[in-house]
Amino acid sequence: SQQGEEDPQALSIQEGENATMNCSYKTSINNLQWYRQNSGRGLVHLILIRSNEREKHSGRLRVTLDTSKKSSSLLITASRAADTASYFCATDNRDDKIIFGKGTRLHILP
Amino acid sequence: DVKVTQSSRYLVKRTGEKVFLECVQDMDHENMFWYRQDPGLGLRLIYFSYDVKMKEKGDIPEGYSVSREKKERFSLILESASTNQTSMYLCASSFSDRDYYGYTFGSGTRLTVV
Repeated sequence: SQQGEEDPQALSIQEGENATMNCSYKTSINNLQWYRQNSGRGLVHLILIRSNEREKHSGRLRVTLDTSKKSSSLLITASRAADTASYFCATDNRDDKIIFGKGTRLHILP
Repeated sequence: DVKVTQSSRYLVKRTGEKVFLECVQDMDHENMFWYRQDPGLGLRLIYFSYDVKMKEKGDIPEGYSVSREKKERFSLILESASTNQTSMYLCASSFSDRDYYGYTFGSGTRLTVV
């Protein structure tokens, strides 16, 4: 089955820097979503981008989608300590469920 | 504030016990899902449901069953708990039309089977 695959697996940056995470997938999609998971908690939906969209913004988050390359990126600008978490992309095709990648662990250094 | 509530944050059960994990949502979502999350394996779908009294197997249904008698409640049942079912269990729900909204997750239940 198709699956989003995040890259890198882990990322450490200084507070205030920008963090970029990438997601690649294998087959056509209806939309792609990004989620955040703080340690030991459930996932929180951050942003959804549909297949006919190329870029979307939400606060300090910017998501791009390139359907020709089957890839997406999540940019977090001006990172904060509270952004330390795991970030997952999830692909939604026209099937009845979405599929999650294994996540990028982001650590913001003080 | 909309919510998906899982009945327990932490649970310890003995091998062979029948275990019930409860999930309740207050958003009138049609779809509900159960995942387990293990290090290195990501989220794996166990079962899902699009409507009351209906269920569909996910990727790893063996050893599990589910019940959805009411729209807001989706229960995961471990028929005879085994140590390899020690995991974090996550419940999620969504509208049928997922083109604008994603999933809403509960806080998770960390189950340990001893």
